[in-house]
Amino acid sequence: DAKTTQPTSMDCAEGRAANLPCNHSTISGNEYVYWYRQIHSQGPQYIIHGLKNNETNEMASLIITEDRKSSTLILPHATLRDTAVYYCIVRAYLQGTYKYIFGTGTRLKVLA
Amino acid sequence: DTEVTQTPKHLVMGMTNKKSLKCEQHMGHRAMYWYKQKAKKPPELMFVYSYEKLSINESVPSRFSPECPNSSLLNLHLHALQPEDSALYLCASSRGPGTENSPLHFGNGTRLTVT
Repeated sequence: DAKTTQPTSMDCAEGRAANLPCNHSTISGNEYVYWYRQIHSQGPQYIIHGLKNNETNEMASLIITEDRKSSTLILPHATLRDTAVYYCIVRAYLQGTYKYIFGTGTRLKVLA
Repeated sequence: DTEVTQTPKHLVMGMTNKKSLKCEQHMGHRAMYWYKQKAKKPPELMFVYSYEKLSINESVPSRFSPECPNSSLLNLHLHALQPEDSALYLCASSRGPGTENSPLHFGNGTRLTVT
């Protein structure tokens, strides 16, 4: 299984862009990268995913390096409500189904 | 609000009890997942059902017994648990194999305390 590594914690000033890195150097060619966040005592919330192209939606942007060994989640204008744990996940195909393995996560604190 | 509903939200049980956790989704998803999450740790995969068949069991102890009665329901039967099994149990669903755009949708979990 591909594994991901993330910094344990980061701070970001409110209104600034938050850039959260993830290393997935063992990723295989057909494995997607997914990002989720978890606010205390709630289930993880889907943010964005991608294979090899950069992606953008209403929540965030995902930048994947050309060799696919790392990616960065960008929250363009962080707010206090973006304070959460952010997980980078590699989705593997195994035994006829998809397996989503969570990395250790980055605890993002947005400061007023 | 979440489209995956888990009941109960909280459960306290003794080590000799038998209880069940329930999960329901009505999005037409064909893959369903159980995760276990300890405090300040990432969710750990336990089981995956695909088209109502058990596809993945991550070497989970037999005191945890999953069941998928139909494509909308997923149960986790608990028996003779240990205090270290206390955790947040998360259910998730996705469209399943063959669908590229298939993020996991999570419920808000059942917080289990074993006394």
